Formats: sequence, C-alpha cells, structure tokens
Amino acid sequence: DGGITQSPKYLFRKEGQNVTLSCEQNLNHDAMYWYRQDPGQGLRLIYYSQIVNDFQKGDIAEGYSVSREKKESFPLTVTSAQKNPTAFYLCASQVGGNSNQPQHFGDGTRLSIL
Amino acid sequence: GNSVTQMEGPVTLSEEAFLTINCTYTATGYPSLFWYVQYPGEGLQLLLKATKADDKGSNKGFEATYRKETTSFHLEKGSVQVSDSAVYFCALNQAGTALIFGKGTTLSVSS
Repeated sequence: DGGITQSPKYLFRKEGQNVTLSCEQNLNHDAMYWYRQDPGQGLRLIYYSQIVNDFQKGDIAEGYSVSREKKESFPLTVTSAQKNPTAFYLCASQVGGNSNQPQHFGDGTRLSIL
Repeated sequence: GNSVTQMEGPVTLSEEAFLTINCTYTATGYPSLFWYVQYPGEGLQLLLKATKADDKGSNKGFEATYRKETTSFHLEKGSVQVSDSAVYFCALNQAGTALIFGKGTTLSVSS
C-alpha cells in the first residue's frame, strides 16, 4: 500500500541535542511538508519542498532544518536552537506543489523534552 | 492573505444527533476546500473535498457544500456515532501554496 511513514512515533530530546525525524513516502509525490501541532493551535507549517534539492521556509522555520536529497524522503532536524520543541510533528505529501489536490499525512511523531 | 476560520469547540453531542461544524474562509480566486479528521494519536485523514463553487463533498455520511457567495464550507452529518469523536479541520488550498488550516474543532459523542 502506498503511504507516508513517519518514525519514530515517540522521541525524546535532551537539552542541547539535535534530533532528526524521519518521513518517507512511496506515493511518488513531488511535494512534501512538515507541520507542527500544538494543543488548540491547529497546524503550523515549518518547511516545505516542491521538488528534490529545493525547499522553502514556512511560518515557523526557526530552530529547524530539512533536506530533500531524494524524492521519497524529507527528514526534519529539530536543533538545539528550538527552545520549545515539545509538540506533535506531522509530515505530508502532495502530488504536486502547484496543484490543488489534497495532502496525505503520516501518523506523526511526538517529541518531548527529557 | 488567505485564512480559514472554524467554530471553536468542543462540540458535545449525544449519539444520533445532528452535527454542524461551521467553516468560513478568506481567499482570492477559487481555492479548493477540504475537511480533515484526526483521531487521537494519529495523523490527519482526508474526509472530503470540493474544488469549485456549489460542489458538494461527501464521505461516511458527512457532507459539505462549497458556498462561494458566503465563503463557507460547513460540515454536516445527520446522525453522529460515538466513533465520530475526533478533531475536525477545515482547510483550503490554492495552486502553488501550502494548505491553510483552521484551528480544529473537537467533537465528542456520547452514547
């Protein structure tokens, strides 16, 4: 079955540590997205990529970094500069960034601070 | 800029009650509109969509009609079940931009 796989499901970060969240899709979608979800705030866009080797900052990119070396993979690194990283992180993909088609979501990674 | 406003929750209903969750939007041109559902601890699933004015999206007994004159896309269901308890998100998308979400509405259905 085609879909989006996020791992791990739960992740813990120590102070000063960088952690990387994995997102893999086998839908052959061009566009991929990372969102952060906090209680009562809906989803906020962190980074997005419409094509391999290219990505753009979203609304809350500070303290995060991404790469898009392969079409199927879009990992997100939460750096030590992100002072409030505890949240639920969702990855999504879309057939094309310039389309009006729906996005497909993974099951999320919950990040907490130790 | 583009935005989505949906009614604040939580919405608490008894089983078999009628559901309406209001959603209005601000956008230039003709966006596509979506409703997503999120069950506890999971990602978002597409519930239904509409891509042009007067389209009606429907799925699993839920319906929403794209009303350009009132810039609305209200979600309705005639008879809710306990299994419908979840968070519902209204969203819009225009070509070349990322999805814009409302803040979500929590629905709780009791038997």
